[in-house]
Amino acid sequence: EIVLAQSPATLSLSPGERATLSCRASQSVGSYLAWYQQKPGQAPRLLIYDASKRASGIPARFSGSGSGTDFTLTISSLEPEDFAVYYCQQRFNWPALTFGGGTRVEI
Amino acid sequence: QVQLEQSGAEVIKPGASVRVSCKASGYSFRDYAIHWIRQAPGQGLEWMGWINGGTGNTKYSQKFQDRVTLTRDTSASTAYMDLSSLTSEDTAYYFCARDRNWPDSWGQGTLVTVSS
Repeated sequence: EIVLAQSPATLSLSPGERATLSCRASQSVGSYLAWYQQKPGQAPRLLIYDASKRASGIPARFSGSGSGTDFTLTISSLEPEDFAVYYCQQRFNWPALTFGGGTRVEI
Repeated sequence: QVQLEQSGAEVIKPGASVRVSCKASGYSFRDYAIHWIRQAPGQGLEWMGWINGGTGNTKYSQKFQDRVTLTRDTSASTAYMDLSSLTSEDTAYYFCARDRNWPDSWGQGTLVTVSS
């Protein structure tokens, strides 16, 4: 099973700052990686798929990069509504999926 | 717009089974598969399985292989997740999500609490 390790576990930042979240896969997943945002009491929301493509309606301040085993989600300038938990997810062995443990972005 | 409406919260006794439903609207149910993913309170996301909306073919996580059954009713545009032999460790939110190569639209989640 492909394991995804996210770092850091918690990121403490202020509105307007840049957030950089990391996801590392235990083996290459090509570009088969997505990022999700989850707020308390809500379902996850797809932000980025295929490592770097923004999902419909996602603001341009969210960007994804990477391939193989190392991936990054960048939020260029944090808005108050961006404070949430972020998960990476791979589909290299689709339809089986695995998720990272999450990164909490807090004020 | 795409919507996935899940059934309500359940309280289930240990050893029993639970069924969670997921009614789809806003798209052609047969054209997409459905994933089932769960999340224990305060924990991360865990993939359970996948069902093809058109063919009914399924794929299960090895962890749940012996206890989970996914089905669908195309006439009702509804997918179902049955989980048996429940223990306290199965207390979690259960989500369905449409598969468009990626889980792109999610249900609101169903809280299943296992308690005597």
